[in-house]
Amino acid sequence: GAVVSQHPSRVICKSGTSVKIECRSLDFQATTMFWYRQFPKKSLMLMATSNEGSKATYEQGVEKDKFLINHASLTLSTLTVTSAHPEDSSFYICSARDSITGELFFGEGSRLTVL
Amino acid sequence: SQKIEQNSEALNIQEGKTATLTCNYTNYSPAYLQWYRQDPGRGPVFLLLIRENEKEKRKERLKVTFDTTLKQSLFHITASQPADSATYLCALGQFGGSTLGRLYFGRGTQLTVWP
Repeated sequence: GAVVSQHPSRVICKSGTSVKIECRSLDFQATTMFWYRQFPKKSLMLMATSNEGSKATYEQGVEKDKFLINHASLTLSTLTVTSAHPEDSSFYICSARDSITGELFFGEGSRLTVL
Repeated sequence: SQKIEQNSEALNIQEGKTATLTCNYTNYSPAYLQWYRQDPGRGPVFLLLIRENEKEKRKERLKVTFDTTLKQSLFHITASQPADSATYLCALGQFGGSTLGRLYFGRGTQLTVWP
């Protein structure tokens, strides 16, 4: 079946550094990908819609300068958490929509811990 | 803003019984509703989708109902097994263009099935 790969699966960084998380669709093209974050025992919160070749659309309350999204190809979207702080520690999950079938597939998530 | 409530944070049932999970929403008119399974530290896995004009959907031991008047969906797992233990999430979405795949999630219900 279709697979969405996220890398890294876990990352620990110091406060103030920037961290990049990749989301790849492995066997399909995805014009649109979505980024979510999830706190422990909380729901997945939609952060932004990532569109190939254009700017991401951010949900209300999400800082676009804090969470930079780049969707440079039909199989890759990246989320960069800039100048990370401990409150940015969370589980970040992406999903990718198959451009042909419209089916949606989720990645396995990336756990970010900011010290 | 839209609100999605899964009224049981945790549900414990005995193996063989039917688990019933509830999802209620307000301030939203979804075109479809989805149910996902999420295991600890993993991304969500799609289970079922039900459209606004459908009352019921079944897949093996799973059954979903959707009542747009009550703004409620019920998710049933019949003949439950310990392997069904996981967190179950409901998600609402719209069809059409760039919004397809943009989902709003409930907090989830943690189901534990004991032998």
